[in-house]
Amino acid sequence: QKEVEQNSGPLSVPEGAIASLNCTYSDRGSQSFFWYRQYSGKSPELIMSIYSNGDKEDGRFTAQLNKASQYVSLLIRDSQPSDSATYLCAVKEGGADGLTFGKGTHLIIQP
Amino acid sequence: SAVISQKPSRDICQRGTSLTIQCQVDSQVTMMFWYRQQPGQSLTLIATANQGSEATYESGFVIDKFPISRPNLTFSTLTVSNMSPEDSSIYLCSADTGTSGGKTQYFGPGTRLLVL
Repeated sequence: QKEVEQNSGPLSVPEGAIASLNCTYSDRGSQSFFWYRQYSGKSPELIMSIYSNGDKEDGRFTAQLNKASQYVSLLIRDSQPSDSATYLCAVKEGGADGLTFGKGTHLIIQP
Repeated sequence: SAVISQKPSRDICQRGTSLTIQCQVDSQVTMMFWYRQQPGQSLTLIATANQGSEATYESGFVIDKFPISRPNLTFSTLTVSNMSPEDSSIYLCSADTGTSGGKTQYFGPGTRLLVL
């Protein structure tokens, strides 16, 4: 059974600091990895996608993937109060597959 | 990216009835997906809907309870049948966009269902 593990938090980070979110997955055949942000009462919003080992940067966000360790992370630099949300890690095995989600990490940015 | 709409946005239903949720994508997509998000929980995949073939259901979900239609490349429906209070959830549809080397799923706004 495919599993995606995240620390549920809450993770509290001061405004302006770096928030670090982590995720591990069980299926070594996983090919695609995603971070979604979900505000309360809203649907998930795609933040980052990553498909190969290493780092991928997009603005204040950096996704890191290590397939050997089955580990994905998301760094948020210069954290803002508007970054306060639940961050969902999701994994996809193949092109036609749906996503397996972790339980999400609740991030709180303290002003 | 894809713009995805869902109808209805929310509904309150009586137990034993059925509700059909519609999902519309602004571009043609091969794969569409239906998820459930129970209160306070993460998303769980219900089924994958490929145009022109039967939907593929995940473990724990069956066609009699969640029949799905996929009549064309931009539209799908999910029916929640013979509802009970345990079916109270947010139901989300999503679609894959992008190339075969990097497909990304975008989500609709969700349908909030309360079963009394």
